[in-house]
Amino acid sequence: DAGVIQSPRHEVTEMGQEVTLRCKPISGHDYLFWYRQTMMRGLELLIYFNNNVPIDDSGMPEDRFSAKMPNASFSTLKIQPSEPRDSAVYFCASRTGTGYEKLFFGSGTQLSVL
Amino acid sequence: GENVEQHPSTLSVQEGDSAVIKCTYSDSASNYFPWYKQELGKGPQLIIDIRSNVGEKKDQRIAVTLNKTAKHFSLHITETQPEDSAVYFCAASIRTDKLIFGTGTRLQVFP
Repeated sequence: DAGVIQSPRHEVTEMGQEVTLRCKPISGHDYLFWYRQTMMRGLELLIYFNNNVPIDDSGMPEDRFSAKMPNASFSTLKIQPSEPRDSAVYFCASRTGTGYEKLFFGSGTQLSVL
Repeated sequence: GENVEQHPSTLSVQEGDSAVIKCTYSDSASNYFPWYKQELGKGPQLIIDIRSNVGEKKDQRIAVTLNKTAKHFSLHITETQPEDSAVYFCAASIRTDKLIFGTGTRLQVFP
């Protein structure tokens, strides 16, 4: 298996623009998580899905952030409009739902909002 | 909700020495405590984990200890090697439903 696949690896955009980050989880994994990594706050959980249904979005910072999972093999995290403080590395991770299972992380998307 | 604090934020050791990273958690219901290692340009990877019914777990040069009464747990790396240099994250949760991570420790091992 290729692991969790995220795209793009790097995104540079201007303030006010819409940004869409993409994730393909490992086949067979029924949990998907979006994390944001910054120097100050470390790894923050933004939202997670179980069987394509959002379970907890309490970590989503503002209404400017939204996430979808239209099917078991694809998820998006959208920021509209983007702001410089959104600059961070965004990780997607997936796992199976059988209990104490490890998370498999993608390589992340480095987002820079100018 | 759960809050995880991690110390130190940076740690430099000589090759062959031991390294210890400490974490505390706030939710007494948490029962799962994994440690992840993040190498440059990559996503974090699980290196070891411990559940609340166990006080210590070892895997070669890596060990984790848990003190449920004090709500803290630690990662111990012995005989450190340059390839141990990375950022290490502790985390806590009830099962693995919602892992809450600490802020990370950047470990540098000097030859």
